[in-house]
Amino acid sequence: GQNIDQPTEMTATEGAIVQINCTYQTSGFNGLFWYQQHAGEAPTFLSYNVLDGLEEKGRFSSFLSRSKGYSYLLLKELQMKDSASYLCAVRPFSGGYNKLIFGAGTRLAVHP
Amino acid sequence: EAGVTQFPSHSVIEKGQTVTLRCDPISGHDNLYWYRRVMGKEIKFLLHFVKESKQDESGMPNNRFLAERTGGTYSTLKVQPAELEDSGVYFCASTSGGNEQFFGPGTRLTVL
Repeated sequence: GQNIDQPTEMTATEGAIVQINCTYQTSGFNGLFWYQQHAGEAPTFLSYNVLDGLEEKGRFSSFLSRSKGYSYLLLKELQMKDSASYLCAVRPFSGGYNKLIFGAGTRLAVHP
Repeated sequence: EAGVTQFPSHSVIEKGQTVTLRCDPISGHDNLYWYRRVMGKEIKFLLHFVKESKQDESGMPNNRFLAERTGGTYSTLKVQPAELEDSGVYFCASTSGGNEQFFGPGTRLTVL
């Protein structure tokens, strides 16, 4: 089966650092994605990992360990606008079958 | 460049009625995906078009759902007849073949 787990909710303080974890068990693996979604809006792409290690993009970093089925999204210097849902998604297959399997999302609340 | 657009943004219908959702992908994107999120659950894959052909329709819940992409441009998703459990947010995404799927804002469907 396909299973992706992430915490339901997290809170953090403006200016701080927060780490959102994601564990997955899927029938295959061809990449892990993080998306940000503000309420009522489209999910927007944040990061992509297919090899083990850390990918850094500005205030956002994403880490992957394929052997552990584990990823995290690290958000630094938190801003109020970072309050949103963060979606972890796995692409199980290659060869043109590019559907994403999503976790339920982590709702992050940033407070002053 | 315009993003993925979806119409309508909201639809409220009664059980047994028919509803047609429309998605306009980013111009030139051959790959088009439909996903949906039912209340409190994760976003789930429905199907994937490459141009006008259905590449993967493994997520379509039953034969009340019909997706088309005539001409390989915009796509429609028809639900006929609608049932209460079809309520949720229907997302469309497109990609030119790269890793990032660009999502639309979704259509919120409420079946009463």
